[in-house]
Amino acid sequence: GQQVMQIPQYQHVQEGEDFTTYCNSSTTLSNIQWYKQRPGGHPVFLIQLVKSGEVKKQKRLTFQFGEAKKNSSLHITATQTTDVGTYFCAGPQGGSEKLVFGKGTKLTVNP
Amino acid sequence: NAGVTQTPKFRVLKTGQSMTLLCAQDMNHEYMYWYRQDPGMGLRLIHYSVGEGTTAKGEVPDGYNVSRLKKQNFLLGLESAAPSQTSVYFCASSYVLQPQHFGDGTRLSIL
Repeated sequence: GQQVMQIPQYQHVQEGEDFTTYCNSSTTLSNIQWYKQRPGGHPVFLIQLVKSGEVKKQKRLTFQFGEAKKNSSLHITATQTTDVGTYFCAGPQGGSEKLVFGKGTKLTVNP
Repeated sequence: NAGVTQTPKFRVLKTGQSMTLLCAQDMNHEYMYWYRQDPGMGLRLIHYSVGEGTTAKGEVPDGYNVSRLKKQNFLLGLESAAPSQTSVYFCASSYVLQPQHFGDGTRLSIL
């Protein structure tokens, strides 16, 4: 079945350093979604990318969807302690209503 | 706004006991989902529903049953709890093919 792989599984950075997580799908995606889960919290939707090669920015966060619509990345510039959490990518399974989530990248930030 | 509400928030069961987790959403969403989250495993879909009176199996349905008698409620049942079902359970809901909104989760321990 469809798989969504994320790397790295863990990332520890010093505050102020940049951070990137990568997401790869075994199949072409109609869209890709990113979620953030704070420690002890629940996943919260961040953004959805739909178009091939699309780039979207939210303040210090930059999201990119690959040209082939099989990979995506999330880049955080100058991390802050508020960025701590696990970042998940997710893509629709086939054309269906189900999402397949990556296993997430857990980010810790040392102040 | 309440959004997605899960009850209970915590529960400890003994092996073989049964229980029902309740999810309620007030956003008039068509789709509802039940996930379990285990360390290093990301979010895995248990069952989902695309409308009142309909349910379908996800990735890990064994040992669970669901019902969606009302559009706003989605129940997850464990008929005979097993230690392997110790997990954090998240309910989510969404409009058709739109990003998902998650509840705060139910932390379930089975001894």
